[in-house]
Amino acid sequence: DAKTTQPPSMDCAEGRAANLPCNHSTISGNEYVYWYRQIHSQGPQYIIHGLKNNETNEMASLIITEDRKSSTLILPHATLRDTAVYYCIDPSGSARQLTFGSGTQLTVLP
Amino acid sequence: DTGVSQDPRHKITKRGQNVTFRCDPISEHNRLYWYRQTLGQGPEFLTYFQNEAQLEKSRLLSDRFSAERPKGSFSTLEIQRTEQGDSAMYLCASRGSRGVTEAFFGQGTRLTVV
Repeated sequence: DAKTTQPPSMDCAEGRAANLPCNHSTISGNEYVYWYRQIHSQGPQYIIHGLKNNETNEMASLIITEDRKSSTLILPHATLRDTAVYYCIDPSGSARQLTFGSGTQLTVLP
Repeated sequence: DTGVSQDPRHKITKRGQNVTFRCDPISEHNRLYWYRQTLGQGPEFLTYFQNEAQLEKSRLLSDRFSAERPKGSFSTLEIQRTEQGDSAMYLCASRGSRGVTEAFFGQGTRLTVV
């Protein structure tokens, strides 16, 4: 079962920052948080992952709270192509498999 | 293109028939995962291979499902005696073994059982 909690949906205006929250209060101390997104009918796409420091790459920024119980994915300038379901994942199991919840449907509006 | 290939992309089959899907992971990745995704839901973990060894299977993987990864390269997922409830997207992902790595997903195989 997924161990993260995300809002089911969010809207964002094109060109504005999209801030997607996630609660992962049971994450273990040495486990990374991963973010993926899935555009309709495609396979999930890796975005970013982090342990306790804030991370940034060409796609997004990840802000993790000091207690590591929650994080926020930031898309700094959302475009229409960023419309997708965004998943926050706390890996579990001996295989460290990614356990997906229902995610957040982000809709970027023109 | 993530480098993970799945074949076929779409499969329509009659109930009761057997189907087999193939996944070609990124060549240097020794970890391979299969997932199933139904409409409106996130992907659900089915099984995991490390090299050729199948190390973990979900309780979702009924005895009609079998997966193999001969020689630790490509993998196949077979469903015997398909049922309408097997209709779903079947996703494969691969992952390297060194350090903290991300998994790369293929585009999936869409199965429709009629």
